[in-house]
Parts: sequence; C-alpha cells; structure tokens
Amino acid sequence: DQQVKQNSPSLSVQEGRISILNCDYTNSMFDYFLWYKKYPAEGPTFLISISSIKDKNEDGRFTVFLNKSAKHLSLHIVPSQPGDSAVYFCAASPSGGSNYKLTFGKGTLLTVNP
Amino acid sequence: DAGITQSPRHKVTETGTPVTLRCHQTENHRYMYWYRQDPGHGLRLIHYSYGVKDTDKGEVSDGYSVSRSKTEDFLLTLESATSSQTSVYFCAISVRDQETQYFGPGTRLLVL
Repeated sequence: DQQVKQNSPSLSVQEGRISILNCDYTNSMFDYFLWYKKYPAEGPTFLISISSIKDKNEDGRFTVFLNKSAKHLSLHIVPSQPGDSAVYFCAASPSGGSNYKLTFGKGTLLTVNP
Repeated sequence: DAGITQSPRHKVTETGTPVTLRCHQTENHRYMYWYRQDPGHGLRLIHYSYGVKDTDKGEVSDGYSVSRSKTEDFLLTLESATSSQTSVYFCAISVRDQETQYFGPGTRLLVL
C-alpha cells in the first residue's frame, strides 16, 4: 500500500526547458510535503517544501504546486540545467504527533540533456 | 551540511555476522532516523529516535535494532546479517523539530 506515488520512474528534458515531476498521495492526513534531490553516492538533499495551507511555493528555479483536492503535487524546474540531473524524491508528513516521520515515493530519475 | 557523519561508509560482510552502523551528529538535534534505499523502493524508514533511549520502529524494522545512549549517536545493528539487507543506509536528522530532514552521506552495505 503505497501512500506516496511517483508514477514516472524517469524523465528526460532538454536544457533550458521546463521539467515537471509529479507526485500523488493517498493519505488525507498528510499536510506537509517535501522534495529531495539525490545524486549517485550521496545522501538526499532537501530541495523545497510546501505546507497544506498553501498551493504554491517558489524558490529560485524551483516551484512546488499542491492540489489538495486531487492529492497531487508537482515540482517545476525552470529552466532545467544539466546539473539538475538526479533522482528526485517526493515525501510527505502527517499532521501532529508523527515525530516528523516522512513517507517517500520511489523517486523519478531526471536527465537534463545539453 | 547538517553535521551528520556515518561510519563506515562501505562495508562487506558475510551472512550471519552482526553489523553495526553509526550515525553521528554534532548539533544535539532530538530526532534521528535510519532509512534504507533500494532500487524500486525509494527510501524506507527502519527505526527512528525522539530522544536519548527513546526509539520506535519504522516501516521495515524486522531484522534491525537501534540504540541511542547519547544525543549525538544513533546506532543501527543488524544482529545477523542477511543478503536481503544489502542496501544503502542513510541516517537523517530533523532540525529544530520540524518535518524537514537532513541526510548523512550513506553507508553502502554488501552482505555476501
């Protein structure tokens, strides 16, 4: 029973174009969502997050959109750069009393071609 | 960099042997987590700690135990390693008791 789903195992885009990575969740108790980026042989690094009280959060080239009714979030990277090539994980945390535990999706491998 | 180190970074061991992985943090954060990452599974929580001597199970805790005798160290033990525990293990901390977790560099474990 996968509560956080990233249905695209991989995505390939051209440098300078937009990358859109998608994530769906099933648990209505999730109210905080995060994106992590992971390069090979390194630990995941925090990228951007969004609380359920918002529908958009932006940080430079990265924007996360949240559609609570659809239980869907997406990460937009504009413009995409070759250095963005990595595995991206979506994660979610439930409200109160969870000890800040995160549930992760399986990840999407983004390849940005020069 | 949240001041997290993991040791060893790489380990090869044989089935049936005990293995202990160490996570060390330098900033006295209360919450610490152990994950494993496997192809096709993403990151899965093994155990976590919410204080010294306070630990609880995660999603995939069978075959693993943990200990936290001091704030800065969180140990993950495989009592009798099996080939199914071949994986990359990541430690993480929650900074300022928030949902955002920061990860260590990982330990790559191979059980033969």
